[in-house]
Amino acid sequence: EVQLVESGGGLVQPGGSLRLSCAASGFTLSAYDMNWVRQAPGKGLEWISYTLSISSFINHADSVKGRFTVSRDTAKNSLCLQMNSLRAEDTAVYYCARVRPSGYMDVWGKGTTVTVSS
Amino acid sequence: EIVLTQSPGTLSLSPGERATLSCRASQSVSSSNLAWYQQKPGQAPRLLIYGASSRATGIPDRFRGSGSGTDFTLTISRLEPEDFAVYYCQQYGSSMWTFGQGTKVEIK
Repeated sequence: EVQLVESGGGLVQPGGSLRLSCAASGFTLSAYDMNWVRQAPGKGLEWISYTLSISSFINHADSVKGRFTVSRDTAKNSLCLQMNSLRAEDTAVYYCARVRPSGYMDVWGKGTTVTVSS
Repeated sequence: EIVLTQSPGTLSLSPGERATLSCRASQSVSSSNLAWYQQKPGQAPRLLIYGASSRATGIPDRFRGSGSGTDFTLTISRLEPEDFAVYYCQQYGSSMWTFGQGTKVEIK
């Protein structure tokens, strides 16, 4: 079964760091473009980060640029989101999603919750 | 950045009724790069429609996507109890994605 499972969420103080992981099963993650999408409590979906499968190209939304970065662990068939300088407004459920060539996301994880609060 | 505006914000309908959801873009979007998702409380989004009108695997044919340019529509021909949820449109371009703010379809 094709599946994505996020982990690493939790409570962190403003200014702190957190590293999220997204483990893939049923497919080879390195062969696909991948996105991170978040959803603040009671709000809509917000795309935050993209990584291209065939190169090290990464793009981030302006809201996280310079603070978040994405990396891949081919051996573990997983994706990571390193989040630094966290702010209260980064509080959200974070989803990883598989991206198809036309930009739609066909496989989503269940999400992991990040709470930034003192 | 392309802004997607969905309307209405909330749609109150009864099972068996037809739902028509609108997604308007601030500038022209390639139909290939327009998708719709369904999200239920506490769940991840689920892909319904891609390429503006193609149903994703396992999506029943009561869901229909249409439109081009700046105006796109998701139609649910006859609402089933499991269809009451929030629906988002999404576009992709230049390695960036934007979502509409969502339309909630609730039971009347």
